[in-house]
Amino acid sequence: GAVVSQHPSWVICKSGTSVKIECRSLDFQATTMFWYRQFPKQSLMLMATSNEGSKATYEQGVEKDKFLINHASLTLSTLTVTSAHPEDSSFYICSASTGGATYEQYFGPGTRLTVT
Amino acid sequence: AQRVTQPEKLLSVFKGAPVELKCNYSYSGSPELFWYVQYSRQRLQLLLRHISRESIKGFTADLNKGETSFHLKKPFAQEEDSAMYYCALMAGGFKTIFGAGTRLFVKA
Repeated sequence: GAVVSQHPSWVICKSGTSVKIECRSLDFQATTMFWYRQFPKQSLMLMATSNEGSKATYEQGVEKDKFLINHASLTLSTLTVTSAHPEDSSFYICSASTGGATYEQYFGPGTRLTVT
Repeated sequence: AQRVTQPEKLLSVFKGAPVELKCNYSYSGSPELFWYVQYSRQRLQLLLRHISRESIKGFTADLNKGETSFHLKKPFAQEEDSAMYYCALMAGGFKTIFGAGTRLFVKA
């Protein structure tokens, strides 16, 4: 149980275009979803926290107009990278939490974005 | 400031040797600490959390508030323990701060 999927697993797009990444909790309802970014050989950096039905909370330095997050249901959150640039190329990972007392997060497999 | 420090990027030990992955944290409140593991080509997964005081795959971690540490230990390392290990701190609002990670390599 507690599986989180991401789609696509990898994507290549041209500069200036937008790309959407989906994060789904397959067998549980996620009240909270998180989006992380991971550069090569570096740790995960939290980009934003989203709760179902409300606006996402972005971390300092993360442009909310560039990284649009939608958490429309308890099983789906999307991250849209708008007007992508090569510096946006990275590994994007989502996680989902039921928000219970254990605070456990279940991670997706990640999406590798390459902007050419 | 909220921060998690893992001083070792790489730790290499022989099979059967004890292993300790260091983690220090900085947090003004009462910390909730975790260890996550990422095996090759797999997703990040929870290894253990301090509130459970559990032992998973032979690993244990004790929270030392005086030293602000949460080191991960295993008395006898196995080759299958080779992976990337991340120490993480749960701050307010479920926000998780990850350390830089330590790659453990267990040699045969």
